Amino acid sequence: AQSVTQLDSQVPVFEEAPVELRCNYSSSVSVYLFWYVQYPNQGLQLLLKYLSGSTLVKGINGFEAEFNKSQTSFHLRKPSVHISDTAEYFCAVSDEYTGNQFYFGTGTSLTVIP
Amino acid sequence: GAVVSQHPSRVICKSGTSVKIECRSLDFQATTMFWYRQFPKQSLMLMATSNEGSKATYEQGVEKDKFLINHASLTLSTLTVTSAHPEDSSFYICSARDSGRGGIYEQYFGPGTRLTVT
Repeated sequence: AQSVTQLDSQVPVFEEAPVELRCNYSSSVSVYLFWYVQYPNQGLQLLLKYLSGSTLVKGINGFEAEFNKSQTSFHLRKPSVHISDTAEYFCAVSDEYTGNQFYFGTGTSLTVIP
Repeated sequence: GAVVSQHPSRVICKSGTSVKIECRSLDFQATTMFWYRQFPKQSLMLMATSNEGSKATYEQGVEKDKFLINHASLTLSTLTVTSAHPEDSSFYICSARDSGRGGIYEQYFGPGTRLTVT
């Protein structure tokens, strides 16, 4: 079975500072990995995804993530955050065997401090 | 492209009544849609997988008689919360997979429906 761990439930960071949101997964097969952002009272918006190929994935809003198979990680990074990045971030995993099912982490609340 | 809508965005109902939430894929066909529930400050929990033209598949612990799912067309799935109680108050989010793509691709999420049962 799949599982996703987001170790940091809350991450405060000053505006224009870099940030890394951590995501680790457990799986015995090849995986597909996703990062979503959720603003208050809204649905999820896809930031980026890893399906195959290059392990460094670039997404929207200046975010990027690196798939590390040996460490089973898919950490999300941004070199300089803005106030507007304040939101909840979810890491999710799927694979060809579980079919459509996504497994979500518990989320990381990013707060950008002016 | 790949837009999913939900209606209503917010609903308040009295305990004991039923509420229907619609999930539509606006610019693609979706043989499979998903319903999630999200409690405050928590992650999304998959409730059920909705398959067009067949019965939904419910996750363990989800009451199928309470959460009725109907996927009548390739662009519409509905979730009906029957005999709602205050503990059913939550944020319900649907998602859809584009049938035009093979394999496993991203799910497109709706904006969510805030249900409050008084």
